[in-house]
Amino acid sequence: NAGVMQNPRHLVRRRGQEARLRCSPMKGHSHVYWYRQLPEEGLKFMVYLQKENIIDESGMPKERFSAEFPKEGPSILRIQQVVRGDSAAYFCASSVEGGGEQYFGPGTRLTVT
Amino acid sequence: SQQGEEDPQALSIQEGENATMNCSYKTSINNLQWYRQNSGRGLVHLILIRSNEREKHSGRLRVTLDTSKKSSSLLITASRAADTASYFCATDRGAQKLVFGQGTRLTINP
Repeated sequence: NAGVMQNPRHLVRRRGQEARLRCSPMKGHSHVYWYRQLPEEGLKFMVYLQKENIIDESGMPKERFSAEFPKEGPSILRIQQVVRGDSAAYFCASSVEGGGEQYFGPGTRLTVT
Repeated sequence: SQQGEEDPQALSIQEGENATMNCSYKTSINNLQWYRQNSGRGLVHLILIRSNEREKHSGRLRVTLDTSKKSSSLLITASRAADTASYFCATDRGAQKLVFGQGTRLTINP
């Protein structure tokens, strides 16, 4: 049973470009969460999605960031016009149900140059 | 502000010794989860303890939860070099999103 998959594992973007991060949840999981981790810090919640629905986006910056979890395919976290401060590790997690154990992917390390 | 705060921030012990990490939080919770993160890697789920539970065991791990003090502890017995990692507690207040602390960096010296 494959775990949570994220790709790419490393992404380098120049300032102003767009970054697209993908997350495939564990089989049977319909709840997806995105978190961001800055160096030497804990993870901070960004957004919680179920298939075709955003449930909680209270941790998402108001501008440039968006997320989706379509009926088919992976969840996508999209960052437009990236800035240096967006450099971080972005982790996706999934769960069978809301409030249950969340299983994390290996993360995507975004570097903005 | 962060819900969970781990203590200590860093811990260095000899292989074979026990390691204890603490986590405090501010508001009521549905459950509390402990995770391990090896340097530059993803998080590994260790254990979930619900608000109506006081203690849980999993192998060499023992987690306690004191809701009256809003605190939890993670004990790793008979530590091994492979236990070297950062350990995070995360609280779920029922909104499904987890709120993480800053973590405890554990180093096991051979």
